Amino acid sequence: GAGVSQSPSNKVTEKGKDVELRCDPISGHTALYWYRQRLGQGLEFLIYFQGNSAPDKSGLPSDRFSAERTGESVSTLTIQRTQQEDSAVYLCASSLWSSLTDTQYFGPGTRLTVL
Amino acid sequence: AQSVTQPDIHITVSEGASLELRCNYSYGATPYLFWYVQSPGQGLQLLLKYFSGDTLVQGIKGFEAEFKRSQSSFNLRKPSVHWSDAAEYFCAVGAGSGGGADGLTFGKGTHLIIQP
Repeated sequence: GAGVSQSPSNKVTEKGKDVELRCDPISGHTALYWYRQRLGQGLEFLIYFQGNSAPDKSGLPSDRFSAERTGESVSTLTIQRTQQEDSAVYLCASSLWSSLTDTQYFGPGTRLTVL
Repeated sequence: AQSVTQPDIHITVSEGASLELRCNYSYGATPYLFWYVQSPGQGLQLLLKYFSGDTLVQGIKGFEAEFKRSQSSFNLRKPSVHWSDAAEYFCAVGAGSGGGADGLTFGKGTHLIIQP
């Protein structure tokens, strides 16, 4: 079956603009995760959804970041007033449930470049 | 909070030689441990995971890893590498409560280069 998909694959924007990143999880997966990968760094956990609920938003880097999920489907990560420090690859993952025993399947990522 | 250290940023191995990638973790309770591989232009793929039981776990593509609680380590090994193994390898740890709420904590990765 289809894996996790993300769009766009690449996004170049100007500082101060808003961007919206999209994630389509594997069908039937109830849990969805967002990570950020800066150049030369490991993945940084941002937020997770169980269904359309995000129990803890403290991992989001600042109040310019927000995320939502529609039902147990598409999720969008929105960054307002982008800064150069936001440049990174944003990865989405989904799993059947939110237990760590369930494998997280990752999408190919969205590479965001803020000029 | 948990943390993961991958001491080697780059490793170069000759094709056919054995491989060991190091991973040390810090977590107070029983950790959930993972190794992922990221090939150029592709998403992360799970190689193997450890939750409990036998401390030597087998994964895909001929990889294995051994959990050593006394050393807080979870090193990845392969007896004979292939050129297609060239990639970025990430070790990760999850909160021992079993819930996904904290996501996974990743190391900074080890870039594996295969020499012909």
